[in-house]
Amino acid sequence: GENVEQHPSTLSVQEGDSAVIKCTYSDSASNYFPWYKQELGKRPLLIIDMRSNVGEKKDQRIAVTLNKTAKHFSLHITETQPEDSAVYFCAARDDLSGSARQLTFGSGTQLTVLP
Amino acid sequence: EAGVTQFPSHSVIEKGQTVTLRCDPISGHDNLYWYRRVMGKEIKFLLHFVKESKQDESGMPNNRFLAERTGGTYSTLKVQPAELEDSGVYFCASSQDEAGIYGYTFGSGTRLTVV
Repeated sequence: GENVEQHPSTLSVQEGDSAVIKCTYSDSASNYFPWYKQELGKRPLLIIDMRSNVGEKKDQRIAVTLNKTAKHFSLHITETQPEDSAVYFCAARDDLSGSARQLTFGSGTQLTVLP
Repeated sequence: EAGVTQFPSHSVIEKGQTVTLRCDPISGHDNLYWYRRVMGKEIKFLLHFVKESKQDESGMPNNRFLAERTGGTYSTLKVQPAELEDSGVYFCASSQDEAGIYGYTFGSGTRLTVV
């Protein structure tokens, strides 16, 4: 089955700096890569996702990149703000083979943006 | 649109007791998923319902866990008898389509503590 590893587990940055969270996956058939943000005590929210037919996707201050060969994908947050502080989860899924629709998540990154 | 609702939000029970968690998905979402996050680790898949049928229950840890979705609306997850290692946050999610093309919507989770 799929295995997703996420690093770092904790990340502190100064407000205005950039933050990068990296994930690797094991199943080369995975083709859908969402990122979720979970603020303290709240539900995980989908913030951005991408499919393997693109290498990069950007939405305002958030960008995701994918290296299919190396099976790496990353989340980049620029000009960080205190409200970006949260736990971020990466995930992967194979949408094409079989009937499984489960997401395999990374272990999460606690991002703290220091004012 | 009402989101995914889970209750209770917190539950503290003694080892050996029974607990039942409930999830109300977004109305019209046939696909309902249970996940859990144990001890700050990754969010792990438990099972997937399509309407009232269990599409995939490969993530259920053992037979102390029983999930039901009678009538294809809300779902319950019963743990009987609860063990210490069952402590964690149990998330429910629903999606409009089986492929999750429109993404999952997560509930806020039930924090289960077994003492």
